[in-house]
Amino acid sequence: AQSVTQPDIHITVSEGASLELRCNYSYGATPYLFWYVQSPGQGLQLLLKYFSGDTLVQGIKGFEAEFKRSQSSFNLRKPSVHWSDAAEYFCAVAPMNRDDKIIFGKGTRLHILP
Amino acid sequence: GAVVSQHPSWVICKSGTSVKIECRSLDFQATTMFWYRQFPKQSLMLMATSNEGSKATYEQGVEKDKFLINHASLTLSTLTVTSAHPEDSSFYICSARERLAGGPGLDEQFFGPGTRLTVL
Repeated sequence: AQSVTQPDIHITVSEGASLELRCNYSYGATPYLFWYVQSPGQGLQLLLKYFSGDTLVQGIKGFEAEFKRSQSSFNLRKPSVHWSDAAEYFCAVAPMNRDDKIIFGKGTRLHILP
Repeated sequence: GAVVSQHPSWVICKSGTSVKIECRSLDFQATTMFWYRQFPKQSLMLMATSNEGSKATYEQGVEKDKFLINHASLTLSTLTVTSAHPEDSSFYICSARERLAGGPGLDEQFFGPGTRLTVL
């Protein structure tokens, strides 16, 4: 069965430091891949997505993610975090079947130190 | 980008009452809407998939008689929590998928801001 693993429940970084959030997926074929961000009490906002093509994907708010097929990973990165980046981040996958559903990882909560 | 709204944003009700939550796609037609439930500090759990004009498809373990879903139009889906109990207290999030012309990869789910339900 397909699954998404975010191995880090919490991550704390200092403001201005670089960030990498890990995501691994298990699926029979390359799925569609997403990263969402959720601020407290809010819905989800799409940061970026990978469907095909260039494996380095640029998103909003200065985030990027790199798809590595050999590692079944889709890690999220940002070169310099801001205090406003503190939130919950969800990696998600969807099979390449337009009628199927998105599966979310358990999320990584990002804390920013001043 | 496309906008999805939910109403109400929060609701408090007494145990045994029913609560209706609306999910609207404001600037696009959504042939499919999804309802998720999120417990505190947890991920989103898909409850059901709602297709316009047909019955919703519920995930395993979700009581269809308790969580009634209606998708009467291409812009509106409703979730009714019937005979709510404190254990139904949760954050409910809907999403809507915009079906675009073209090949795979063009559909995207847009999420609503969520509804916080508290059952006393």
